[in-house]
Amino acid sequence: GQQVMQIPQYQHVQEGEDFTTYCNSSTTLSNIQWYKQRPGGHPVFLIQLVKSGEVKKQKRLTFQFGEAKKNSSLHITATQTTDVGTYFCAGPGGGSQGNLIFGKGTKLSVKP
Amino acid sequence: EAGVAQSPRYKIIEKRQSVAFWCNPISGHATLYWYQQILGQGPKLLIQFQNNGVVDDSQLPKDRFSAERLKGVDSTLKIQPAKLEDSAVYLCASSLVAGVSRETQYFGPGTRLLVL
Repeated sequence: GQQVMQIPQYQHVQEGEDFTTYCNSSTTLSNIQWYKQRPGGHPVFLIQLVKSGEVKKQKRLTFQFGEAKKNSSLHITATQTTDVGTYFCAGPGGGSQGNLIFGKGTKLSVKP
Repeated sequence: EAGVAQSPRYKIIEKRQSVAFWCNPISGHATLYWYQQILGQGPKLLIQFQNNGVVDDSQLPKDRFSAERLKGVDSTLKIQPAKLEDSAVYLCASSLVAGVSRETQYFGPGTRLLVL
């Protein structure tokens, strides 16, 4: 079945360092969404990318959608302790139901 | 705007017991999802409702799990009987428009289930 692979599974950084997580799909995605889940919390929508090669920024977060629409990345510049959490990418689950397939997530820890 | 509400927040049961979870989506949202999130993994869709009809339950273990969404608003998810491997967080989410993968999904706080 359709899968969305995410790497790395864990990332430990010193506060102020940069962080990147990558998302890959074996099939072309019509769109990709990114969610953040704080420890003990629930996934919260961050952004959606739709166009090939699209780049979107939210303050220190930069999201990219690959030219082939099979991969995506999230880059955080100068991490802060508030960035701690697990970042998930999610792509369409196929069919016309509008459901999502989530990656396993990248768990980010930030050492002050 | 009120978010997605879920109850209970925590539940501990013994294997072979039954349990039910409740979800109230954001008002006016047509689509409701139930996800299972096992520790260290991403949410896995169990069932998707569009108004009060099921549109995807392909990953729902139907021998023990059941769900309903009466009147197209609230929903309940039931496990009967529970197994140890059902220990997970059960997340409910809703989205405004039906059948569109580009729609943002809004998640509730989840119910943490521990099966002993």
